[in-house]
Amino acid sequence: EAQVTQNPRYLITVTGKKLTVTCSQNMNHEYMSWYRQDPGLGLRQIYYSMNVEVTDKGDVPEGYKVSRKEKRNFPLILESPSPNQTSLYFCASSFSVGTSGSGGQFFGPGTRLTVL
Amino acid sequence: DAKTTQPPSMDCAEGRAANLPCNHSTISGNEYVYWYRQIHSQGPQYIIHGLKNNETNEMASLIITEDRKSSTLILPHATLRDTAVYYCIVADSWGKLQFGAGTQVVVTP
Repeated sequence: EAQVTQNPRYLITVTGKKLTVTCSQNMNHEYMSWYRQDPGLGLRQIYYSMNVEVTDKGDVPEGYKVSRKEKRNFPLILESPSPNQTSLYFCASSFSVGTSGSGGQFFGPGTRLTVL
Repeated sequence: DAKTTQPPSMDCAEGRAANLPCNHSTISGNEYVYWYRQIHSQGPQYIIHGLKNNETNEMASLIITEDRKSSTLILPHATLRDTAVYYCIVADSWGKLQFGAGTQVVVTP
């Protein structure tokens, strides 16, 4: 089954404790991205990757890191989480975006993170 | 970067067509218009996309004006399960997607 998986789905942690949220897709997609969603707001892009070893900042990259060492995986790293990073996080992937317009993005089920 | 503007909410009667507008007046010539929806806090779901021609699939139709400054998503026969937030986004050529605030669509019996 074609899918984007995220782990963990729920996480409660404390300020300053490093954490990683994993994202994996099984569709051989080049493009992957991370979003966060907060009450009353739409989705805001954190980071994206056009392909392996290529990453770029989205609209709200502060406090986050990503890596793309393999095509299928795109982990989101919070080196020193703070309460303002409490949010619902989504990972997404697609074959491509923008000018090629080859299709839409597949989104994962979301990770609800609480930082105390 | 192109940005989109959508009405915050709209209601639709079950079985009727729902027409969702989106303005994207600064869209570039080679940028596509994408529509997604999100039910509760689930991951957004892709609906349809287009460049300049009208598009139709099993979920919806997309009508893009000739000047490409606006578009309309049409759900031909809305059902209760279509209640969701609908997002209109324009794809940047560098992969940077910008979601608008979305339109909360409520389908009523």
